[in-house]
Amino acid sequence: KQEVTQIPAALSVPEGENLVLNCSFTDSAIYNLQWFRQDPGKGLTSLLLIQSSQREQTSGRLNASLDKSSGRSTLYIAASQPGDSATYLCAVRGPPGNTPLVFGKGTRLSVIA
Amino acid sequence: GAVVSQHPSRVICKSGTSVKIECRSLDFQATTMFWYRQFPKKSLMLMATSNEGSKATYEQGVEKDKFLINHASLTLSTLTVTSAHPEDSSFYICSARELVAGAFFGQGTRLTVV
Repeated sequence: KQEVTQIPAALSVPEGENLVLNCSFTDSAIYNLQWFRQDPGKGLTSLLLIQSSQREQTSGRLNASLDKSSGRSTLYIAASQPGDSATYLCAVRGPPGNTPLVFGKGTRLSVIA
Repeated sequence: GAVVSQHPSRVICKSGTSVKIECRSLDFQATTMFWYRQFPKKSLMLMATSNEGSKATYEQGVEKDKFLINHASLTLSTLTVTSAHPEDSSFYICSARELVAGAFFGQGTRLTVV
């Protein structure tokens, strides 16, 4: 059974810092991995999707990497801003691709102005 | 990008009543939608997989007679919480998978049963 772990559970940084969020998964046979952002009481916003054959994806100040063999992914946020404060969720999907996502518990990020 | 609309965003109901939550994919067809539940400070947990035109597949521990799922068309799935109790109070989120771009989620529904 796939399990997803995110470390740290919470993180507080001053504005402008670069930071890394970690995600690990126990079964490396994944179809893809997705990073989401969740604001309090809100739904999920997809940030980056990495297919199993890819190593990384970039969008603006965000960069996500995937090392499938070791079961790890990182989300790098450059030059953090207070508006980045949210919970960041990592989720993996197993083959054949139409299976549901398995989520980590998330990392709660606070960026202090 | 693909848009999934979930309605209502908040609902308060009395214990014993039923509540219906709608999930619509606005600009793509979704043969499969997923329903998740999230308790405070917990991760999203899959409740059921909703397949268009067939019965939903429920995860272990989720009562299918309590959480009725209907996927009547390629763009609409509904979750009905029947005979709701306070312990059903939670945040419910649906998702639909777009073939290329991945999973897109609704805005979520905050259910409070009083």
